[in-house]
Amino acid sequence: AQSVTQPDIHITVSEGASLELRCNYSYGATPYLFWYVQSPGQGLQLLLKYFSGDTLVQGIKGFEAEFKRSQSSFNLRKPSVHWSDAAEYFCAVGAQRGSSNTGKLIFGQGTTLQVKP
Amino acid sequence: GAVVSQHPSWVICKSGTSVKIECRSLDFQATTMFWYRQFPKQSLMLMATSNEGSKATYEQGVEKDKFLINHASLTLSTLTVTSAHPEDSSFYICSARAWPPDNEQFFGPGTRLTVL
Repeated sequence: AQSVTQPDIHITVSEGASLELRCNYSYGATPYLFWYVQSPGQGLQLLLKYFSGDTLVQGIKGFEAEFKRSQSSFNLRKPSVHWSDAAEYFCAVGAQRGSSNTGKLIFGQGTTLQVKP
Repeated sequence: GAVVSQHPSWVICKSGTSVKIECRSLDFQATTMFWYRQFPKQSLMLMATSNEGSKATYEQGVEKDKFLINHASLTLSTLTVTSAHPEDSSFYICSARAWPPDNEQFFGPGTRLTVL
């Protein structure tokens, strides 16, 4: 079955510390992977996406993610967290373009990031 | 980047009334739009997929007669919650996909529905 797992429901880090949010997926075909961020009461903003090529992907706001096919993971990282990074983070997986697909995305449960001053 | 708007951003209605939520792609043509529902502190639950000019495809467990979806143009999809009840209170988010070139979805800011 296709699924996305974000093992950490809630993470607290100190401002300036590094961050890693975990994402594991189960998908039959070659996946198209995304990380989104959601502030309270807002829609989702795309941080970065992976389609193919370099497995280390750079995104906005200083975030990066690494695709590891052997581990079925797409973990999100940031070297130094800012207080404004406090939000909900969602990992999602979808079918690659060119496939016969509906465009649906499967979302993980989300990880709430709290930043301590 | 591609922008998706939703209107209204919040709505309060009485039980038994119907509410319409609009989702618009402002600077691109969206062949497919998606409607999600999100409960507090939870992930997004896909309700339905709408393709321009055709009937929406609903996810299992979603009542088609309760949640009417219309995708009449390449830039507009509407979700109508019919005979709303307090249990329909939720945060509704739409997204739009431009195809080609790829499978990325662009999300609207969401609509908070409160049914009294």
